[in-house]
This record gives sequence, C-alpha cells and structure tokens, in this order.
Amino acid sequence: GQNIDQPTEMTATEGAIVQINCTYQTSGFNGLFWYQQHAGEAPTFLSYNVLDGLEEKGRFSSFLSRSKGYSYLLLKELQMKDSASYLCAVRGLLPSGGYGGSQGNLIFGKGTKLSVKP
Amino acid sequence: NAGVTQTPKFQVLKTGQSMTLQCAQDMNHEYMSWYRQDPGMGLRLIHYSVGAGITDQGEVPNGYNVSRSTTEDFPLRLLSAAPSQTSVYFCASSSALFPSSYNSPLHFGNGTRLTVT
Repeated sequence: GQNIDQPTEMTATEGAIVQINCTYQTSGFNGLFWYQQHAGEAPTFLSYNVLDGLEEKGRFSSFLSRSKGYSYLLLKELQMKDSASYLCAVRGLLPSGGYGGSQGNLIFGKGTKLSVKP
Repeated sequence: NAGVTQTPKFQVLKTGQSMTLQCAQDMNHEYMSWYRQDPGMGLRLIHYSVGAGITDQGEVPNGYNVSRSTTEDFPLRLLSAAPSQTSVYFCASSSALFPSSYNSPLHFGNGTRLTVT
C-alpha cells in the first residue's frame, strides 16, 4: 500500500522560518514534488526532488531522504502571502483496487494548511 | 498562452443527471489527468491519458468516463451524478508522458466546483 503523511495545519509568524514535513511509503518512487495552493485556487508547482539532499529556490527549499521516506519544505522570511496549503506529492504506483498499476502518476498527500500571522 | 482551461467554473446538478466537464490545454502536452479534491482527502486521481486515443483509470474512476480524441482536449463525463460526486475537479497536464522533473511538473486548470443535490 501507499501512504503520504503531512501535518494538517501549521501556524507561523511573519518573518520567521517554517518547516513542513512529509513522510511517504510508496512503491516505485520516482520523485517528490511540492505544490502550493491558495484557497479557492489551483495548485502551483514549487519544487522537485529525486535525489537525496537539499534543493534551494529563493525563499523556498526542499529536502529529500529516500532511505527514510522523508521530505520537508522549508519556507524562510515568511510573508503573509505564504498563507496557503502545501501539498506533498510522490510520483509512483497508485494504490491497488482495480487499477492497472502503471508508474508515473502523482499521488498527493492531504496537504498542510499554513497560516502566517503578523 | 492560456495554459489549462476548464469549463464550467461552477455547476449544480440534480442526482441522476449527466454532464461533461471540459478541459483543454494549448501547450501541446501529451499527459493529461483529472483529479478531484475533497476536504480532508487531498487530490485523488480519477483518470489520466498519455496521448490521443490512450486513457486509463486512476484511483477513483467509478462513475466517470473520459476520452482523448485530440492532444488538446480531455473531457470528463459524469454518467449519472450522485451527491458523493460533489467536489472540486481539477484537470492537469504535463509535457512528459508522466509528470517528472523541473521541466515537466503538472500544470493545473482553475477547477470546476460541482455540487450534486
């Protein structure tokens, strides 16, 4: 089976640093994505990790440890506009249950709602 | 460049009615997919396609049909709407056969908010 876990909600202060964790158990891992989704809007791509280590992209960084099935998204210098849901997604096999099992589709966690307070 | 366009943005159906959610992309992407998003459930894959004439089931395909007659269009059909299909539906596309790497993440449409009464 497959499982992707993220905290449901987090709160942080403007200007601070926040780390959003994601743990996963999947078959055929082929990369991990982070997406940002503002309320009532579509998800937008933030980052991608396929090898172990840290990927930095401006105020956002993402880390991956494949052996631990673990990733985190680090947001620095938080701004009010960073209030959104952050979705962890793994590329791999889908759960069984009538599905052919082809690799490659993205499987999403339930998302972490981040609230940034002044 | 419009990206991924979904219509309608909002829809209310009665139980048993059928309808088609439209999705079109102008990026010449081979991969297209439909997800539904429900509170506390995250995004779940309904159907996907890796090219014209090729479709396959995702995690939650029951009650939905798809077809891919052109690269640009990937409509989702609800055969007989049920209250359990009340959700937000997202169409997404990618330049790779499957979403991979920085160069081919999923591009999402703005969603269709469907209510079935």
